[in-house]
Parts: sequence; C-alpha cells; structure tokens
Amino acid sequence: NAGVTQTPKFQVLKTGQSMTLQCAQDMNHEYMSWYRQDPGMGLRLIHYSVGAGITDQGEVPNGYNVSRSTTEDFPLRLLSAAPSQTSVYFCASSLVRGLGTEAFFGQGTRLTVV
Amino acid sequence: GESVGLHLPTLSVQEGDNSIINCAYSNSASDYFIWYKQESGKGPQFIIDIRSNMDKRQGQRVTVLLNKTVKHLSLQIAATQPGDSAVYFCAENPGGFKTIFGAGTRLFVKA
Repeated sequence: NAGVTQTPKFQVLKTGQSMTLQCAQDMNHEYMSWYRQDPGMGLRLIHYSVGAGITDQGEVPNGYNVSRSTTEDFPLRLLSAAPSQTSVYFCASSLVRGLGTEAFFGQGTRLTVV
Repeated sequence: GESVGLHLPTLSVQEGDNSIINCAYSNSASDYFIWYKQESGKGPQFIIDIRSNMDKRQGQRVTVLLNKTVKHLSLQIAATQPGDSAVYFCAENPGGFKTIFGAGTRLFVKA
C-alpha cells in the first residue's frame, strides 16, 4: 500500500500566487487532515475532514481552503500565497474511532513563498 | 488554553543507554495520548499510544508512562540505537477529532 501520498515534495511560490497541495490515501480512512510545521514548533492543524463532503477548520485555517469530494483525496488550496505561509505541510489520515486515532502521515511538502 | 509542551528541546544519549523523553499536557479532558517519531525529511510516524485509563504501556523497546495527577507523559526507549535519532512528539486528543502536538524533542544518539 502507498499509504498517504503528497505532491509536490517541494514548491516555490511568489507572493500572491495560488496553488493546490495534493493529498491522497489508499487506506479507506474517513478522517483526513492538514498540518503545517514551522521550525521549533509542533504540528498545527489547518483543516480536517471526517468524511467525503464534510470539512472543518483547525487552529490556523486563514489563507487556506479545502474540499473533500472523495474518500481518497483531500487537497489544500492556498488562495493568495504569503511569506508567512512558508512552512512544511503534512497531510494525515486515520480511521475514525471512538477514543482517539493513530494518524498516518505523508512525506510532506516544503513550501517557500518569496 | 490547550497545549502540549516538552521539558527539553534536545536530548543527547550514549548508544546503548536508556532514553527518557518527557511531555506535559494541560487539558485534563484528554483521553488519548500518542508518541510520534519524525526522522529528517519524513512525516511523523506512530510509535506508541496510551489511553487515559492506563498508566503504563509497553511496546518493543519503548514504554509510555502517563501520570494524570500531574498531567505528565514520558517515553522511555531502552538500549537506544543510532536509528533512534529523530525528533519525538507527544500528542494529545482532548476529544472529538482534534489532535494537539507538542513542539518536539530532538534525540541525538552518540556512538
């Protein structure tokens, strides 16, 4: 199994550009999420989805949009890139359980906004 | 507010020694805790978890201890190996679908 696949691995954007980070999982997990990781900090939740057609905001949603049209895919869109969005982005998926879940992470996308 | 913190940002141990990585959490409602390992250039990888109705759980060379009285979590790695060098994150689940991550501890293993 491929697990969680993120593309691209690296990306450089100019301020004001838009782009979509792709995330796909082949484990039939209901729950998917996007995190950003900045130096010296832990992962912060951007958006999450508990199933196809259902999304919600995390801790730091501003400047990002998501949609979940299928169970497998959960793309993250940057509407107008800003230098503050320079970060490493991780997509994760997990089974929905009653008491917490173990998340499987992708390899990450390193984004630089200049 | 909700937070998960770590006492030490870096830890250096000799190969073969035991490692102990500590974590403090602030949300008393959290009922599930997870330790992740992140190697350079990779995404976090699940190591071990523990539920709030337990105070200890053992895996292969790893043990997680939970002290709910002082809201403290620790990860013990036995006979630390060079391959254990990584950043270790504790995470808590305060209910629902949100997982809150700490800042991480970088473990260096000296040969």
